[in-house]
Amino acid sequence: QVQLVESGGGLVKPGGSLRLSCAASGFNFNDYYMSWIRQAPGKGLEWVSYISSSGTTIHYADSVKGRFTISRDNAKNSLYLQMNSLRAEDTAVYYCAKFTIFGGWFDPWGQGTLVTVSS
Amino acid sequence: SYVLTRPPSVSVAPGKTARITCGGNNIGSKSVHWYQQKPGQAPVLVIYYDNDRPSGIPERFSGSNSGNTATLTISRVEAGDEADYYCQVWDSSSDHPVVFGGGTKLTVL
Repeated sequence: QVQLVESGGGLVKPGGSLRLSCAASGFNFNDYYMSWIRQAPGKGLEWVSYISSSGTTIHYADSVKGRFTISRDNAKNSLYLQMNSLRAEDTAVYYCAKFTIFGGWFDPWGQGTLVTVSS
Repeated sequence: SYVLTRPPSVSVAPGKTARITCGGNNIGSKSVHWYQQKPGQAPVLVIYYDNDRPSGIPERFSGSNSGNTATLTISRVEAGDEADYYCQVWDSSSDHPVVFGGGTKLTVL
């Protein structure tokens, strides 16, 4: 079955960097768009970024543009999110999800990894 | 950017029908998707393309979308349906192509 497993979360100081990973299995990873979505503690869902199957099309939310970089390694069935210049408001659970581009929905989602930005 | 409005909470008795709305300007012209999130768990897609159900989602879940309102309907509500529900729209022509609603807490009385 389709499985997405995030890793790389943790505690980081404001201004610091962190790299999240998402390991995919159970489907042809290199055929699908992928995405990151986050959820601040006690808050709603916020889309962060998506990347095309080849990696040539990328889109970011305004809140992370210029600070976060999404990438993928199709040979390793892996999705990444490089997060730089982190702020307290980036504190959230970060989910990776398979993204169906022609309809715009996310399914399935990984279990998430918590990023805490605090001094 | 596109704004989605929703009731923060909806309460319903077991066995009754719950309706959760998602409002947006001409939302009927967009694709709307719905997610269920239980405490401590990742979201799960329950409706896509306004009214299609992924495999494994009970027929009790249905959706509609017209005008300025999309609606998620849960028939014969069960205790296990208690969760947060999020609507989401996709607009490929927008600079902000993915928008989530703020979430509605469904309480089963």
